[in-house]
Amino acid sequence: KAGVTQTPRYLIKTRGQQVTLSCSPISGHRSVSWYQQTPGQGLQFLFEYFSETQRNKGNFPGRFSGRQFSNSRSEMNVSTLELGDSALYLCASSLDGYPGELFFGEGSRLTVL
Amino acid sequence: QKEVEQNSGPLSVPEGAIASLNCTYSDRGSQSFFWYRQYSGKSPELIMSIYSNGDKEDGRFTAQLNKASQYVSLLIRDSQPSDSATYLCAVNLDTGNQFYFGTGTSLTVIP
Repeated sequence: KAGVTQTPRYLIKTRGQQVTLSCSPISGHRSVSWYQQTPGQGLQFLFEYFSETQRNKGNFPGRFSGRQFSNSRSEMNVSTLELGDSALYLCASSLDGYPGELFFGEGSRLTVL
Repeated sequence: QKEVEQNSGPLSVPEGAIASLNCTYSDRGSQSFFWYRQYSGKSPELIMSIYSNGDKEDGRFTAQLNKASQYVSLLIRDSQPSDSATYLCAVNLDTGNQFYFGTGTSLTVIP
């Protein structure tokens, strides 16, 4: 069974640009969550999508957005990049009804110059 | 404010010893609790979940929950060098998948 796949794995952007990250969940998982991981703040919740609807949202500015498609694949977008957006962005999928049993992808490491 | 706090460590234990990892949380509405392990350069993986007060054992791992004191702990018995990783405590308030993670405790098991 394939795991959670995130693309791209690494990317470098400059301030002011925008970026789109993609996540393909485990087959059958309809919940997709996104987290930002930095050394100082740890893992911080961005948002969760279930059946194409945003179900929960963390405390991030509106520059961070996401969406989910009918096949449960999800994308997140960050516009007007800032230096502080440099982080590892992790996607996690789970079966609904099993809160906390998150299966994480390998992450997309974003560097903003 | 919803906070999850862990001792950042690093925590070092000799091989075969018991490693004890602690986590406190601030929101009394927290309902479910998890421990994730993250190896360096890898993504987190779930190792334990606990939902009610008391102990839950799974192999060498025991999770302990005390809602009155708002703490969760993880004991690793017979620690192995392969247990060397960062351990993340995660807390959930409702039935959605919004979790609050601690910053993690780095564990090193010395052969």
